Amino acid sequence: DAGVTQSPTHLIKTRGQQVTLRCSPISGHKSVSWYQQVLGQGPQFIFQYYEKEERGRGNFPDRFSARQFPNYSSELNVNALLLGDSALYLCASSTRLWATEKLFFGSGTQLSVL
Amino acid sequence: KNEVEQSPQNLTAQEGEFITINCSYSVGISALHWLQQHPGGGIVSLFMLSSGKKKHGRLIATINIQEKHSSLHITASHPRDSAVYICAVSYGNEKLTFGTGTRLTIIP
Repeated sequence: DAGVTQSPTHLIKTRGQQVTLRCSPISGHKSVSWYQQVLGQGPQFIFQYYEKEERGRGNFPDRFSARQFPNYSSELNVNALLLGDSALYLCASSTRLWATEKLFFGSGTQLSVL
Repeated sequence: KNEVEQSPQNLTAQEGEFITINCSYSVGISALHWLQQHPGGGIVSLFMLSSGKKKHGRLIATINIQEKHSSLHITASHPRDSAVYICAVSYGNEKLTFGTGTRLTIIP
């Protein structure tokens, strides 16, 4: 079975641009969560979606948005990119909503903002 | 102030040594995760626990709810264990709060 897949793996953008990152969960997983990991730090929670509804949001500005599709795949959008948005963006999926389930992570999208 | 504290931040050991990584958190949790991150970014979930102890191969994870503390142990460490180990906790909702990680290097 395929694991969690993320695309693209690497991305270079300039300040002010917009970016869309994609995540396909493991088949049968209905929960997708997004995390931002700045170099040298632990991941920070951005969003969680379950059954196509937003169920949690971290302390990120409104420039960050996401959605989940009927097939449970998800997109993370970031508008008006800033240099500080440069990070590894990780997606994780699980079978149920609560963070008391084992998480399966993708390999991440490395975003560089110049 | 990070609500999840890990120690040590960096650890270098010889192959075969017994390794302990610690994680402390500030208030009651519903679950604690131990994660492994290799260079390149991919994260693998090692354990999810809410009480007691779990073992998988050479890895052992324990949690003490009263002391708000968890440890990850690696027996007979091997160079392939070299990675960043991250503790993450759930405070009863959907959100995970992560520690900053422990960078482990095992020297042959």
